[in-house]
Amino acid sequence: DGGITQSPKYLFRKEGQNVTLSCEQNLNHDAMYWYRQDPGQGLRLIYYSQIVNDFQKGDIAEGYSVSREKKESFPLTVTSAQKNPTAFYLCASSMNGNSGANVLTFGAGSRLTVL
Amino acid sequence: QQQVKQSPQSLIVQKGGISIINCAYENTAFDYFPWYQQFPGKGPALLIAIRPDVSEKKEGRFTISFNKSAKQFSLHIMDSQPGDSATYFCAAISNFGNEKLTFGTGTRLTIIP
Repeated sequence: DGGITQSPKYLFRKEGQNVTLSCEQNLNHDAMYWYRQDPGQGLRLIYYSQIVNDFQKGDIAEGYSVSREKKESFPLTVTSAQKNPTAFYLCASSMNGNSGANVLTFGAGSRLTVL
Repeated sequence: QQQVKQSPQSLIVQKGGISIINCAYENTAFDYFPWYQQFPGKGPALLIAIRPDVSEKKEGRFTISFNKSAKQFSLHIMDSQPGDSATYFCAAISNFGNEKLTFGTGTRLTIIP
């Protein structure tokens, strides 16, 4: 089955620790994205990558870092600089190209809780 | 100009009723309008989408109505069921190539018996 796999599903972190969330896709999509969702809130874009070895900041990139060494993988690191990291993190991917192709496929999400 | 405004923020509908969620946009370059459905603890999933060359698209109980002149579009859920209880996001994207989706803020829909 083609899709996006996020892991872990639940993650607990102590203050001051960095954590990395995994995102793998087997859809052969060129573009990948990370969104943050807070309770009752919409989707806020953290980082996105439209091609391997290249990525751009989204609307709330501070305190986060990413890499895109392989087409299939787009891990997100939540650093200790992120002041309020407790949230639901969603990875997504899409083909590049015209508008209909850019519609996103989402993973099941990772819930990060800072203790 | 990139915003998509969605209303209401939350909606309670009785089982069997019609649920209506509205979105409005400013960017006339938007040419594809998908709706996403998200259940608690899950990622959003594409529900239905429309292009502005048609005024309505129907898939089962879900219908998108599109008003290009008013720059508004809406999702109608007919015969709403408890299983439809979820958060719904409208979105829009332009045809400039490699653009990103612009999301509305979401509507939390609750269907009561």
